[in-house]
Amino acid sequence: DVKVTQSSRYLVKRTGEKVFLECVQDMDHENMFWYRQDPGLGLRLIYFSYDVKMKEKGDIPEGYSVSREKKERFSLILESASTNQTSMYLCASSGSGTPYSNQPQHFGDGTRLSIL
Amino acid sequence: AQKITQTQPGMFVQEKEAVTLDCTYDTSDPSYGLFWYKQPSSGEMIFLIYQGSYDQQNATEGRYSLNFQKARKSANLVISASQLGDSAMYFCATDRGSTLGRLYFGRGTQLTVWP
Repeated sequence: DVKVTQSSRYLVKRTGEKVFLECVQDMDHENMFWYRQDPGLGLRLIYFSYDVKMKEKGDIPEGYSVSREKKERFSLILESASTNQTSMYLCASSGSGTPYSNQPQHFGDGTRLSIL
Repeated sequence: AQKITQTQPGMFVQEKEAVTLDCTYDTSDPSYGLFWYKQPSSGEMIFLIYQGSYDQQNATEGRYSLNFQKARKSANLVISASQLGDSAMYFCATDRGSTLGRLYFGRGTQLTVWP
């Protein structure tokens, strides 16, 4: 079974802090993703990566950065945390494939981040 | 335009009955995939079922089936014989032909199963 592990289930930080959210997958997947989930808004993609050291902006990258130094690890960084970044953060990974190939994303359990 | 639309914010169904959760999508690519996920109140996202755009038959996985109507760009999830444990948020997603694995998610439908 695919295992995607997020470093913290719950996290509380203060405004202005630099925050690191870590995600590790054990299935040698090429693709990794960071989402935030807010009530009524569904999942919104922040950043994704399709290879080591490669990254692409998603729909809401402002205020965030990412790092992928190793294939299995994808980090989300809040450069200077603000209260509007309080949210549930979900990491996911998937294997590479062409469209019309069954490559679902596999998710971690999520990190509930509160910025005070 | 919305890439994925789920028009039902909430649905209610009685235990043992079937329920259909609606999903329409927007893509111009001929090759694409459609996915459904379940998210219980505990928060984890669970992959349920996949449909490829060229699949001739509707996908089925146990009590889940996908009613795929390509011309209408519709990919509704049908849950048969609902159980109390089916109460959760359900998300529809499509890759819209992406080769990088990116998925576009709808806003979800909250399903409540009552006894």
